[in-house]
Amino acid sequence: GAVVSQHPSRVICKSGTSVKIECRSLDFQATTMFWYRQFPKQSLMLMATSNEGSKATYEQGVEKDKFLINHASLTLSTLTVTSAHPEDSSFYICSARLLGLAGGLEGTQYFGPGTRLLVL
Amino acid sequence: GENVEQHPSTLSVQEGDSAVIKCTYSDSASNYFPWYKQELGKRPQLIIDIRSNVGEKKDQRIAVTLNKTAKHFSLHITETQPEDSAVYFCAASATNRDDKIIFGKGTRLHILP
Repeated sequence: GAVVSQHPSRVICKSGTSVKIECRSLDFQATTMFWYRQFPKQSLMLMATSNEGSKATYEQGVEKDKFLINHASLTLSTLTVTSAHPEDSSFYICSARLLGLAGGLEGTQYFGPGTRLLVL
Repeated sequence: GENVEQHPSTLSVQEGDSAVIKCTYSDSASNYFPWYKQELGKRPQLIIDIRSNVGEKKDQRIAVTLNKTAKHFSLHITETQPEDSAVYFCAASATNRDDKIIFGKGTRLHILP
């Protein structure tokens, strides 16, 4: 099956620093990846849609200058949390959609293992 | 945009009994409805999905139903086992538009011994 990896799995940083999270599709190409944030005991909230070779599309209320997304290749999207603050501490999860799916598999997405960010 | 409501938020059932989780969605363009199981600290795992051209789908102890007219869909787990304890999320997506998956708030399922 399709595999999506994330790196790092866990990061602790000081307030004011920037943190980069990588999302990779290991055995398939993904023109579109999605970034989610999940606070403890809450649901996954879609932050943005990452499109290969073009600008990301952000959901309402998500600051694009704070959460920088780059999708430079068909297998890699990065999320950079700039000037992180304690309220940015969360579980960040990416997902990737298989390119060219059909035959009843349209829309199937595969999730990465998540990155737990703790900002002190 | 799409809004997915999920009930109940917590559900406790005796081992061996059935569990039912219900969701509603608002966007008539949604045509793909996945269900995910998430264990603490782990990624969501797709357990079953249903598309808008189908009213019901079953996979062993898990079944989903979809009522497009009412914009309702439900997850049924029969003969529950301790390993079914987890948080379950319903979701909706419009695959012929933007593929965004919008999640419900989740149901914490406890299987009681």
